[in-house]
Amino acid sequence: SQQGEEDPQALSIQEGENATMNCSYKTSINNLQWYRQNSGRGLVHLILIRSNEREKHSGRLRVTLDTSKKSSSLLITASRAADTASYFCATGPTGGFKTIFGAGTRLFVKA
Amino acid sequence: NAGVTQTPKFQVLKTGQSMTLQCAQDMNHNSMYWYRQDPGMGLRLIYYSASEGTTDKGEVPNGYNVSRLNKREFSLRLESAAPSQTSVYFCASSGPKNIQYFGAGTRLSVL
Repeated sequence: SQQGEEDPQALSIQEGENATMNCSYKTSINNLQWYRQNSGRGLVHLILIRSNEREKHSGRLRVTLDTSKKSSSLLITASRAADTASYFCATGPTGGFKTIFGAGTRLFVKA
Repeated sequence: NAGVTQTPKFQVLKTGQSMTLQCAQDMNHNSMYWYRQDPGMGLRLIYYSASEGTTDKGEVPNGYNVSRLNKREFSLRLESAAPSQTSVYFCASSGPKNIQYFGAGTRLSVL
């Protein structure tokens, strides 16, 4: 069973708008990562947030983590058509080795 | 710097045929993974190798075998392909921070 579940499953916005995706997970974690997958390609790592961090920024990306609610959000500000992709959260369980991926959010940014 | 290289990129098999998917990484990573991705779904872990000489089952290992040939190479074998194994297969490797680097994928159809 998958650890992370993204919400929404799909999101369509206009260029310049912000996009927010959420991820919920079930067990305690060491870290949580977000990846992007362009159509027909492999996943690319975007950002990692550790369990003792609450917020992290990277360029136009902002990730928050609430371990009490077992949830994370990814905010993409001022979206661009090139941000069109699927976004996956992935959790690294405490004491575990395997990173577990959610089913992803498909983001479509209209120019 | 090639990263993670998978071959072949595409393959069509008949039910019952066998094949080996090859994966090589040039980042000196200890850990390597094989995933499958079905339409609209996230990644499901088939097998992983925490270090050279070790392999372990993931979430969906049935019908597959793996070989960690050396630190660079991790192959996935389908001994008797079934239509249920039609999927996109991704190989990944990770270093100390467990950030995963993915290959471009192998698109497999089993008729």
